[in-house]
Amino acid sequence: DAGVIQSPRHEVTEMGQEVTLRCKPISGHDYLFWYRQTMMRGLELLIYFNNNVPIDDSGMPEDRFSAKMPNASFSTLKIQPSEPRDSAVYFCASSLGRRWEKLFFGSGTQLSVL
Amino acid sequence: AQSVTQLGSHVSVSEGALVLLRCNYSSSVPPYLFWYVQYPNQGLQLLLKYTSAATLVKGINGFEAEFKKSETSFHLTKPSAHMSDAAEYFCAVSEGNQGGKLIFGQGTELSVKP
Repeated sequence: DAGVIQSPRHEVTEMGQEVTLRCKPISGHDYLFWYRQTMMRGLELLIYFNNNVPIDDSGMPEDRFSAKMPNASFSTLKIQPSEPRDSAVYFCASSLGRRWEKLFFGSGTQLSVL
Repeated sequence: AQSVTQLGSHVSVSEGALVLLRCNYSSSVPPYLFWYVQYPNQGLQLLLKYTSAATLVKGINGFEAEFKKSETSFHLTKPSAHMSDAAEYFCAVSEGNQGGKLIFGQGTELSVKP
């Protein structure tokens, strides 16, 4: 299996622009997680899905952030409008069941908002 | 609420020296504890886990960690550092292996000097 695939690897955009991050989980995994990593706050859980349904979005910082999972093999995290403080590395992870030792991370998207 | 504190955001050791990365946790229920490693430009990978069995847990690449309930600690050690161990290490806690959220510490960057 190719693992969790995220795109793009790097994204540079200007403040106010819409940003869409993409994730393809490991085939057969039923949980998908979006994390954000910053120097100040470390690794934070933003939202997670089970069987394509959002279960907990309490970590989503603001209404500017939204996430969708239209099917079992694809998820997006959208920021509209983007702000410089959104600059971070965004990770997607997936697991079969919510068993943490079976949690696999993608390589992340490095987002820079100028 | 659960939380994890990693003491020292950056640790530097010489090759062949002991590696000690400190992690203290807070949890209202018996915790499940994890160490993850993140190599540059990659996602997190599971290093080892404690799930209420043996208190001394052995992981990959010669790392091990000891759960000490009285000290609420789960420090990561390796007897002899290799250059390839240079990475960022994250301690994480959850309420059981399938419940609650996986809460990460701020991370500790390990540097290994020749």
